[in-house]
Amino acid sequence: AQTVTQSQPEMSVQEAETVTLSCTYDTSENNYYLFWYKQPPSRQMILVIRQEAYKQQNATENRFSVNFQKAAKSFSLKISDSQLGDTAMYFCAFGRIIQGAQKLVFGQGTRLTINP
Amino acid sequence: KAGVTQTPRYLIKTRGQQVTLSCSPISGHRSVSWYQQTPGQGLQFLFEYFSETQRNKGNFPGRFSGRQFSNSRSEMNVSTLELGDSALYLCASSLGGQGLGAFFGQGTRLTVV
Repeated sequence: AQTVTQSQPEMSVQEAETVTLSCTYDTSENNYYLFWYKQPPSRQMILVIRQEAYKQQNATENRFSVNFQKAAKSFSLKISDSQLGDTAMYFCAFGRIIQGAQKLVFGQGTRLTINP
Repeated sequence: KAGVTQTPRYLIKTRGQQVTLSCSPISGHRSVSWYQQTPGQGLQFLFEYFSETQRNKGNFPGRFSGRQFSNSRSEMNVSTLELGDSALYLCASSLGGQGLGAFFGQGTRLTVV
């Protein structure tokens, strides 16, 4: 069974700083997807970024980028020029498609606070 | 394009009762998944439906069930509610197939008293 570990329960940085959230996972599979989701106080889970395991190039979305180390099974999220609106819970997730069926396995989350 | 809609947003039930939660996916999305979120257990996968068929199921007791209709709307039902069923229930929709990367609704907060 796949597991996802986020070792930082909480993080806090000043506005405009860069912050990196860590995530490691365990799987014996070769083809899979990795995600970072953001959950603000409104509770809605928002997809931040997605990485396909077969792609060597790290995914980027504006101020968000990942460092995907497949051999090390590591998938960290870097937020550049952090903004107050980035304050939220961040979840790392592992996903596979088995015979078309989809399932996501989530880490325990990192509570990120951006201070003014 | 409308997002994923979950109803109701909040629900309070008594132990032993049953409850039905509803999820309307994004138009054109045929895969609907359900997750339970609690402070202790985090986010746990309940089940996934695609074209009215359950394709995948998590490790939950049989009291948790679901279904999907021909318009892709989905419902999940919990019978004989227990205090431990209090949670945020999240629904996610995706295109299905290789379109992994779900869009979530705002959830239904269920409180069992």
